[in-house]
Amino acid sequence: DIQMTQSPSTLSASVGDRVTITCRASQSISSWLAWYQQKPGKAPKLLIYKASSLESGVPSRFSGSGSGTEFTLTISSLQPDDFATYYCQQYNSFPTFGQGTKVEIK
Amino acid sequence: EVQLVESGGGLVQPGGSLRLSCAASGFTFSSYWMSWVRQAPGKGLEWVANIKQDGSEKYYVDSVKGRFTISRDNAKNSLYLQMNSLRAEDTAVYYCARDWGGTTVINVFDYWGQGTLVTVSS
Repeated sequence: DIQMTQSPSTLSASVGDRVTITCRASQSISSWLAWYQQKPGKAPKLLIYKASSLESGVPSRFSGSGSGTEFTLTISSLQPDDFATYYCQQYNSFPTFGQGTKVEIK
Repeated sequence: EVQLVESGGGLVQPGGSLRLSCAASGFTFSSYWMSWVRQAPGKGLEWVANIKQDGSEKYYVDSVKGRFTISRDNAKNSLYLQMNSLRAEDTAVYYCARDWGGTTVINVFDYWGQGTLVTVSS
Protein backbone atom coordinates (compact mmCIF):
# COMPACT_ATOMS: atom_id res chain seq x y z
CA ASP A 1 0.00 0.00 0.00
CA ILE A 2 1.08 3.55 -0.65
CA GLN A 3 1.21 5.55 2.56
CA MET A 4 0.26 9.23 2.51
CA THR A 5 1.58 11.57 5.21
CA GLN A 6 0.27 15.08 5.68
CA SER A 7 1.83 17.93 7.62
CA PRO A 8 1.00 19.65 9.76
CA SER A 9 -1.79 17.75 11.51
CA THR A 10 -3.27 21.01 12.76
CA LEU A 11 -2.74 24.51 11.46
CA SER A 12 -3.89 27.69 13.18
CA ALA A 13 -4.43 30.62 10.86
CA SER A 14 -6.33 33.87 10.46
CA VAL A 15 -8.65 35.09 7.75
CA GLY A 16 -6.55 36.43 4.90
CA ASP A 17 -3.53 34.24 5.64
CA ARG A 18 -1.78 32.20 2.99
CA VAL A 19 -1.93 28.56 4.04
CA THR A 20 0.10 25.62 2.75
CA ILE A 21 -0.45 21.95 3.53
CA THR A 22 2.06 19.29 2.52
CA CYS A 23 1.37 15.71 1.52
CA ARG A 24 4.08 13.10 0.99
CA ALA A 25 3.69 9.70 -0.65
CA SER A 26 5.71 6.66 0.38
CA GLN A 27 6.52 6.06 -3.30
CA SER A 28 6.12 7.94 -6.52
CA ILE A 29 2.53 8.49 -7.58
CA SER A 30 3.27 10.75 -10.57
CA SER A 31 0.50 13.37 -10.42
CA TRP A 32 -2.26 11.02 -9.29
CA LEU A 33 -3.24 13.04 -6.26
CA ALA A 34 -6.50 14.60 -5.14
CA TRP A 35 -7.37 16.99 -2.32
CA TYR A 36 -10.64 17.05 -0.40
CA GLN A 37 -12.17 19.42 2.13
CA GLN A 38 -14.35 18.08 4.94
CA LYS A 39 -16.39 20.04 7.44
CA PRO A 40 -17.69 18.51 10.69
CA GLY A 41 -20.58 16.14 10.12
CA LYS A 42 -20.37 16.50 6.35
CA ALA A 43 -19.07 14.41 3.49
CA PRO A 44 -15.74 15.28 1.89
CA LYS A 45 -15.76 17.65 -1.08
CA LEU A 46 -13.39 17.25 -4.01
CA LEU A 47 -11.20 20.31 -4.51
CA ILE A 48 -8.31 19.29 -6.74
CA TYR A 49 -7.43 16.30 -8.89
CA LYS A 50 -4.31 15.32 -10.83
CA ALA A 51 -2.30 17.30 -8.30
CA SER A 52 -3.12 20.73 -9.70
CA SER A 53 -6.44 20.65 -11.58
CA LEU A 54 -9.19 22.61 -9.88
CA GLU A 55 -12.56 20.88 -9.67
CA SER A 56 -15.41 22.83 -11.24
CA GLY A 57 -16.91 25.37 -8.86
CA VAL A 58 -13.98 25.44 -6.46
CA PRO A 59 -12.70 28.96 -5.73
CA SER A 60 -9.45 29.94 -7.42
CA ARG A 61 -7.82 30.71 -4.07
CA PHE A 62 -7.24 26.96 -3.83
CA SER A 63 -4.30 25.58 -5.77
CA GLY A 64 -2.28 22.39 -5.81
CA SER A 65 1.20 21.54 -6.95
CA GLY A 66 3.76 18.77 -6.91
CA SER A 67 4.55 15.45 -8.50
CA GLY A 68 6.27 12.22 -7.60
CA THR A 69 6.20 12.04 -3.82
CA GLU A 70 5.71 15.60 -2.58
CA PHE A 71 2.62 17.73 -3.01
CA THR A 72 1.14 20.91 -1.60
CA LEU A 73 -2.28 22.44 -1.25
CA THR A 74 -2.25 26.22 -0.96
CA ILE A 75 -5.06 28.56 0.02
CA SER A 76 -3.94 31.99 -1.10
CA SER A 77 -6.15 34.02 1.22
CA LEU A 78 -7.98 32.06 3.88
CA GLN A 79 -11.72 32.75 4.07
CA PRO A 80 -14.11 31.97 6.96
CA ASP A 81 -15.63 29.12 4.93
CA ASP A 82 -12.23 27.45 4.59
CA PHE A 83 -11.87 26.38 8.22
CA ALA A 84 -12.13 22.63 7.80
CA THR A 85 -10.08 19.45 7.58
CA TYR A 86 -8.20 18.74 4.36
CA TYR A 87 -7.22 15.30 3.06
CA CYS A 88 -4.90 14.28 0.27
CA GLN A 89 -5.58 11.01 -1.56
CA GLN A 90 -3.45 9.09 -4.00
CA TYR A 91 -5.00 7.16 -6.86
CA ASN A 92 -1.90 5.72 -8.48
CA SER A 93 -3.03 2.40 -7.04
CA PHE A 94 -5.85 1.41 -4.70
CA PRO A 95 -6.77 4.73 -3.13
CA THR A 96 -5.31 5.78 0.19
CA PHE A 97 -5.76 9.01 2.11
CA GLY A 98 -3.55 11.14 4.28
CA GLN A 99 -4.47 11.46 7.95
CA GLY A 100 -5.87 14.95 7.46
CA THR A 101 -4.90 18.52 8.30
CA LYS A 102 -7.28 20.56 10.43
CA VAL A 103 -7.23 24.27 9.64
CA GLU A 104 -8.50 26.12 12.68
CA ILE A 105 -9.04 29.73 13.62
CA LYS A 106 -6.04 31.37 15.26
CA GLU B 1 -28.75 17.18 -9.25
CA VAL B 2 -26.60 14.22 -8.26
CA GLN B 3 -27.75 12.65 -5.01
CA LEU B 4 -26.44 9.68 -3.08
CA VAL B 5 -28.41 8.61 -0.02
CA GLU B 6 -27.09 5.87 2.26
CA SER B 7 -29.17 3.81 4.66
CA GLY B 8 -28.91 0.66 6.72
CA GLY B 9 -26.47 1.67 9.40
CA GLY B 10 -26.99 0.95 13.06
CA LEU B 11 -25.73 -0.87 16.14
CA VAL B 12 -24.61 -4.46 15.66
CA GLN B 13 -22.79 -6.91 17.89
CA PRO B 14 -19.31 -8.16 17.05
CA GLY B 15 -19.58 -11.04 14.60
CA GLY B 16 -22.88 -9.77 13.29
CA SER B 17 -23.96 -8.65 9.84
CA LEU B 18 -25.37 -5.53 8.27
CA ARG B 19 -26.31 -4.48 4.76
CA LEU B 20 -25.85 -0.90 3.68
CA SER B 21 -27.67 0.63 0.72
CA CYS B 22 -27.02 3.71 -1.35
CA ALA B 23 -29.75 5.15 -3.55
CA ALA B 24 -28.44 7.17 -6.47
CA SER B 25 -30.25 9.78 -8.53
CA GLY B 26 -29.53 12.67 -10.86
CA PHE B 27 -27.06 10.82 -13.09
CA THR B 28 -26.80 7.66 -15.17
CA PHE B 29 -25.87 5.29 -12.36
CA SER B 30 -25.12 2.38 -14.68
CA SER B 31 -22.31 4.37 -16.33
CA TYR B 32 -20.16 4.88 -13.25
CA TRP B 33 -17.79 2.95 -11.06
CA MET B 34 -18.92 3.35 -7.46
CA SER B 35 -17.11 3.06 -4.13
CA TRP B 36 -17.65 2.79 -0.40
CA VAL B 37 -15.39 4.90 1.80
CA ARG B 38 -15.49 4.84 5.60
CA GLN B 39 -14.41 7.11 8.41
CA ALA B 40 -13.98 5.89 11.98
CA PRO B 41 -15.08 8.39 14.65
CA GLY B 42 -12.58 11.25 14.82
CA LYS B 43 -10.32 9.55 12.28
CA GLY B 44 -9.40 9.86 8.63
CA LEU B 45 -10.88 8.40 5.47
CA GLU B 46 -10.40 4.82 4.29
CA TRP B 47 -11.47 3.47 0.92
CA VAL B 48 -13.30 0.17 1.42
CA ALA B 49 -14.39 -1.22 -1.94
CA ASN B 50 -15.39 -0.37 -5.48
CA ILE B 51 -17.40 -1.95 -8.27
CA LYS B 52 -17.47 -1.62 -12.01
CA GLN B 53 -20.55 -0.40 -13.87
CA ASP B 54 -21.80 -3.91 -14.68
CA GLY B 55 -20.62 -5.48 -11.43
CA SER B 56 -18.05 -7.65 -13.19
CA GLU B 57 -15.08 -6.24 -11.27
CA LYS B 58 -14.91 -5.62 -7.55
CA TYR B 59 -11.98 -4.60 -5.38
CA TYR B 60 -11.57 -4.41 -1.62
CA VAL B 61 -9.16 -3.05 0.96
CA ASP B 62 -7.30 -5.94 2.59
CA SER B 63 -8.92 -5.44 6.00
CA VAL B 64 -12.40 -6.31 4.70
CA LYS B 65 -11.61 -8.99 2.11
CA GLY B 66 -13.64 -12.12 2.71
CA ARG B 67 -16.02 -10.29 5.06
CA PHE B 68 -17.58 -7.51 2.98
CA THR B 69 -19.26 -7.78 -0.42
CA ILE B 70 -20.02 -4.83 -2.67
CA SER B 71 -22.83 -5.15 -5.20
CA ARG B 72 -25.15 -3.03 -7.26
CA ASP B 73 -28.56 -3.13 -8.94
CA ASN B 74 -28.54 -0.80 -11.91
CA ALA B 75 -32.28 -1.26 -12.46
CA LYS B 76 -32.84 0.19 -8.98
CA ASN B 77 -29.99 2.73 -9.16
CA SER B 78 -28.64 1.26 -5.96
CA LEU B 79 -25.31 0.30 -4.46
CA TYR B 80 -24.93 -2.12 -1.57
CA LEU B 81 -22.38 -3.24 0.96
CA GLN B 82 -22.98 -6.54 2.73
CA MET B 83 -20.89 -6.61 5.89
CA ASN B 84 -20.38 -9.90 7.71
CA SER B 85 -18.24 -10.93 10.69
CA LEU B 86 -18.20 -7.35 11.87
CA ARG B 87 -15.51 -6.19 14.26
CA ALA B 88 -15.22 -3.23 16.59
CA GLU B 89 -12.69 -1.69 14.20
CA ASP B 90 -15.37 -1.58 11.48
CA THR B 91 -17.18 1.10 13.47
CA ALA B 92 -17.36 4.11 11.16
CA VAL B 93 -19.49 6.35 9.02
CA TYR B 94 -19.80 4.65 5.65
CA TYR B 95 -20.08 6.86 2.58
CA CYS B 96 -20.96 5.82 -0.93
CA ALA B 97 -19.10 7.82 -3.53
CA ARG B 98 -19.18 8.20 -7.28
CA ASP B 99 -15.98 7.73 -9.25
CA TRP B 100 -15.19 10.89 -11.22
CA GLY B 101 -13.89 8.80 -14.10
CA GLY B 102 -17.28 7.50 -15.18
CA THR B 103 -16.75 4.43 -17.34
CA THR B 104 -13.05 4.41 -16.52
CA VAL B 105 -12.01 3.73 -12.94
CA ILE B 106 -10.00 6.68 -11.65
CA ASN B 107 -10.62 6.44 -7.90
CA VAL B 108 -11.27 10.15 -7.51
CA PHE B 109 -14.61 10.75 -5.84
CA ASP B 110 -16.64 13.70 -7.06
CA TYR B 111 -19.96 13.05 -5.29
CA TRP B 112 -20.51 11.59 -1.84
CA GLY B 113 -23.55 10.66 0.18
CA GLN B 114 -24.18 12.00 3.66
CA GLY B 115 -22.98 8.76 5.24
CA THR B 116 -24.53 6.14 7.50
CA LEU B 117 -23.07 5.23 10.90
CA VAL B 118 -22.23 1.63 11.70
CA THR B 119 -21.42 0.88 15.32
CA VAL B 120 -20.05 -2.54 16.24
CA SER B 121 -20.31 -3.06 19.97
CA SER B 122 -21.65 -5.51 22.52
